[in-house]
Amino acid sequence: EAGVVQSPRYKIIEKKQPVAFWCNPISGHNTLYWYLQNLGQGPELLIRYENEEAVDDSQLPKDRFSAERLKGVDSTLKIQPAELGDSAVYLCASSLRWDTEAFFGQGTRLTVV
Amino acid sequence: AQSVTQLGSHVSVSEGALVLLRCNYSSSVPPYLFWYVQYPNQGLQLLLKYTTGATLVKGINGFEAEFKKSETSFHLTKPSAHMSDAAEYFCAVSDAGTASKLTFGTGTRLQVTL
Repeated sequence: EAGVVQSPRYKIIEKKQPVAFWCNPISGHNTLYWYLQNLGQGPELLIRYENEEAVDDSQLPKDRFSAERLKGVDSTLKIQPAELGDSAVYLCASSLRWDTEAFFGQGTRLTVV
Repeated sequence: AQSVTQLGSHVSVSEGALVLLRCNYSSSVPPYLFWYVQYPNQGLQLLLKYTTGATLVKGINGFEAEFKKSETSFHLTKPSAHMSDAAEYFCAVSDAGTASKLTFGTGTRLQVTL
């Protein structure tokens, strides 16, 4: 069974440019999460989806970050415009339901220069 | 609000020695507790979790952890370290009613030497 797939694995962009990350969760998983992991830190939840509905986006900086999960399957996280401080690893995870184990993808490492 | 404190950002042990990674949590409600491992350039993998019931939890790769409510701790142990255990370990907590929202500690990097 395929795990959570994220792309790209690495991205380098100049500040003020837009960037998008894509996540394909495990088939049948209704819950999808985006986490931000800064260097030397633990992951922090940005947004959680139940199917196509964002049920917890309280930690998502909505001035520059946006996310969508069309049809309740794949998800895209976008930053526009990117800032130097956005350099981090962006992790996607999915779970069968909100109360079951979350499986993580390998992450996208973003470097903003 | 919940929080997790992992004592020691770096721990070094000899191969074959006991591994002890410390985790203390703060939660106003009964917590769910987790340990994840992260290998270089990889995502997080669940080692073990405590939800309810037995306070000694066994996980994968020979790891186990014990939930001690009186000490608000959930330390991770392994009797004998192996070179392949070298990785970053994260402790996490969530509300029993919202198991999906994990609050992670800052991680402990485990180094295993010959």
